[in-house]
Amino acid sequence: DQQVKQNSPSLSVQEGRISILNCDYTNSMFDYFLWYKKYPAEGPTFLISISSIKDKNEDGRFTVFLNKSAKHLSLHIVPSQPGDSAVYFCAARENAGNMLTFGGGTRLMVKP
Amino acid sequence: EPEVTQTPSHQVTQMGQEVILRCVPISNHLYFYWYRQILGQKVEFLVSFYNNEISEKSEIFDDQFSVERPDGSNFTLKIRSTKLEDSAMYFCADSSGDSSYEQYFGPGTRLTVT
Repeated sequence: DQQVKQNSPSLSVQEGRISILNCDYTNSMFDYFLWYKKYPAEGPTFLISISSIKDKNEDGRFTVFLNKSAKHLSLHIVPSQPGDSAVYFCAARENAGNMLTFGGGTRLMVKP
Repeated sequence: EPEVTQTPSHQVTQMGQEVILRCVPISNHLYFYWYRQILGQKVEFLVSFYNNEISEKSEIFDDQFSVERPDGSNFTLKIRSTKLEDSAMYFCADSSGDSSYEQYFGPGTRLTVT
């Protein structure tokens, strides 16, 4: 069941540059999308979210873009910092449900 | 800042034994969840709990699993007879129940079934 897919298992970026993490989904009933960051031996930490009625949401260095027609969302981090190095998960919520469906994650490495 | 807490951080048990994983959600949050992540795999939804009853559950959440909120603060996941394939990180999460749908996760309990 690959309703939420993160095709890049890893990404390496230089400090100060932009990190772009991508996520694709197949379920048209998803109406809310979230990004989580996870460090080893910790639980996922909520970063930013977006409703399906919007195409962009910004919070400081983090911006999420949603392209509903392409069923694609992306997380932009700018400027990237070494402390951003973690696994990033995209998750989606189905209309009228509570469960989150997660992607497989992308490991981001920000090099100083 | 309030956090979801979980105990124990690591539980080792023998196959066939019962385990109870514990969570203390954020105090004014109304929805509670359990997820698990088998090593190398995705985070998977198990169950959601609202108003003292299960509101949604996945196929994984079979008769071997149960959840309870025994005292208004703790939220527990019980596995009656553990199998080797139950070995995973188990995450408790909660959400406030307002118009935002963000779920806040605890640090997880690593369950190892031998």
